[in-house]
Amino acid sequence: GAVVSQHPSWVICKSGTSVKIECRSLDFQATTMFWYRQFPKQSLMLMATSNEGSKATYEQGVEKDKFLINHASLTLSTLTVTSAHPEDSSFYICSASRQLYGYTFGSGTRLTVV
Amino acid sequence: RKEVEQDPGPFNVPEGATVAFNCTYSNSASQSFFWYRQDCRKEPKLLMSVYSSGNEDGRFTAQLNRASQYISLLIRDSKLSDSATYLCVVDRNNAGNMLTFGGGTRLMVKP
Repeated sequence: GAVVSQHPSWVICKSGTSVKIECRSLDFQATTMFWYRQFPKQSLMLMATSNEGSKATYEQGVEKDKFLINHASLTLSTLTVTSAHPEDSSFYICSASRQLYGYTFGSGTRLTVV
Repeated sequence: RKEVEQDPGPFNVPEGATVAFNCTYSNSASQSFFWYRQDCRKEPKLLMSVYSSGNEDGRFTAQLNRASQYISLLIRDSKLSDSATYLCVVDRNNAGNMLTFGGGTRLMVKP
């Protein structure tokens, strides 16, 4: 089946630093990937849609200058949390859609900002 | 009103029990429906798509009622390994950028 690999699975960083999260489609090309955030005991919330070769589309309330998305190839999208603060601590998950497989999610990245 | 609503639970059931979850959605234009399973601190994984005619996969049966705008998931002969959070997911446009997740229903199957 379709596999989406996400890295790192967890990261702890100091407040004010930046963190990059990678999302790769391993056995298919994904022109579109999606980035979600999930706070404890809450559901997934779409942050942005990452489009290969063009700018990402951000959901209302998500700061594009803080959450930088780059989709440089058909198999890789990256999310960079810039100047991270403790309130950015969350579970970040990417997903991609592939025909017949539906939406496949990466394994998620647990970010803790201290 | 939330766009996709689920009873958060937890549903505590003994092994072997039958348990059913419902999910309601508010947008009548929604096109596709799914049940995902999410284990603690893991990513959601597709359990099954939901079709108007209803569909079954082993011990799991999903139903869609468009008129009443609800989706159901029935689990028969519950196993300990079924313990997880079940997410109802609605896709408004089949383009992926309009997936809406319910808050999830937590199931705990006890020995």
